[in-house]
Amino acid sequence: QSALTQPPSVSGSPGQSVTISCTGTSSDVGSYNRVSWYQQPPGTAPKLMIYEVNNRPSGVPDRFSGSKSGNTASLTISGLQAEDEADYYCSSYTTSSTLVFGGGTKVTVL
Amino acid sequence: QVQLQESGPGLVKPSETLSLTCSVSGGSISSFFWSWIRQPPGKGLEWLGYIYYSGSTNYNPSLKSRVTILVDTSKNQFSLKLSSVTAADTAVYYCARQYCSRTSCYLDYWGQGTLVTASS
Repeated sequence: QSALTQPPSVSGSPGQSVTISCTGTSSDVGSYNRVSWYQQPPGTAPKLMIYEVNNRPSGVPDRFSGSKSGNTASLTISGLQAEDEADYYCSSYTTSSTLVFGGGTKVTVL
Repeated sequence: QVQLQESGPGLVKPSETLSLTCSVSGGSISSFFWSWIRQPPGKGLEWLGYIYYSGSTNYNPSLKSRVTILVDTSKNQFSLKLSSVTAADTAVYYCARQYCSRTSCYLDYWGQGTLVTASS
């Protein structure tokens, strides 16, 4: 299985919005709404931020939102804050009942 | 609150088998899927496979011939074995709970990770 495609990096100033894309195929992102997003600050374990395309676990700020169109999912961070600086990974369930991750996107707060 | 903790050798010789255990506390291992994920230094996440508490498994096709995941419900633990390791298997290894339903499948609880280095 091939990794999902994410941009290597995105950046924005505090208060701005940034969007991270996650492109897969009809065998993963395009087949299900089982897309999730994870935040990983340096030296820490990943943390679930979004599940089922656009649902937030308890405790995740509502400035994080997700969407999906066809084979591409997206994560938007609105009102960017310094604490949002981290690596972000998308993940999708596949038609082979496996999970696949994206290559990761580094978010920099300018 | 569910907590996961990886344990095992931090150094494995090339061609040998990497073995790690994940201990689950704060909840039962029953009724869930349990996964292993790894992250080579400076690189992205790679899903290795999962085991259901009943023992059924599914693995990443690229590693399927070398990976074995087992579960011990009496100890609330599950384990990873990766055979014939090379330097390319050097990574931080994470265990995680994989919640899957009819509409969802995601990793909601993660261990802190453990670095395993493959070197002689």
